[in-house]
Amino acid sequence: DTGVSQDPRHKITKRGQNVTFRCDPISEHNRLYWYRQTLGQGPEFLTYFQNEAQLEKSRLLSDRFSAERPKGSFSTLEIQRTEQGDSAMYLCASSIQMRDTIYFGEGSWLTVV
Amino acid sequence: DAKTTQPNSMESNEEEPVHLPCNHSTISGTDYIHWYRQLPSQGPEYVIHGLTSNVNNRMASLAIAEDRKSSTLILHRATLRDAAVYYCIRPMKTSYDKVIFGPGTSLSVIP
Repeated sequence: DTGVSQDPRHKITKRGQNVTFRCDPISEHNRLYWYRQTLGQGPEFLTYFQNEAQLEKSRLLSDRFSAERPKGSFSTLEIQRTEQGDSAMYLCASSIQMRDTIYFGEGSWLTVV
Repeated sequence: DAKTTQPNSMESNEEEPVHLPCNHSTISGTDYIHWYRQLPSQGPEYVIHGLTSNVNNRMASLAIAEDRKSSTLILHRATLRDAAVYYCIRPMKTSYDKVIFGPGTSLSVIP
């Protein structure tokens, strides 16, 4: 399978714990995106990378959230001191710069209890 | 603001055509119109995109109004597997790859 891969697919954590999600984009895609989606809503943009550079961050990305893409390949999204409001599906997507199509992974579901 | 307007929900009978409308009245001359869909419990998937001319692919057709202020996604024969949320998106040229999603249209297909 050469699609966007996300891990873990599901995570249940206690409030206050830290969680980390990993995204492996499609090979040779230099742009990588993170979105968050809650039930009944469309995906909300969080941040994106071009290669290893983080080019834009949404105001939704509070200081408890950090994303990295250290070698311009896979990316991690860490949430520190999780809150119940962080419960959502976290979507990763990738694309080739200036191409039209963005490819999404299956998402990582986070439940904070 | 990459705003588009879509109906919240639509219904279709199986094997009948479906026309999903989208308004994008503030679109500029160089903005493409993209459609994605999201099946239950999956990430969004690309459907089709276009600029001025009508476009066809194996999944759907895209009809773009002459003034480009609206477009229609056409599923020629709806199947149960087409039940999904359909998003009409207008990526802004200044944020070309920052795709902003609205709530989309939830399509139900009735057997």
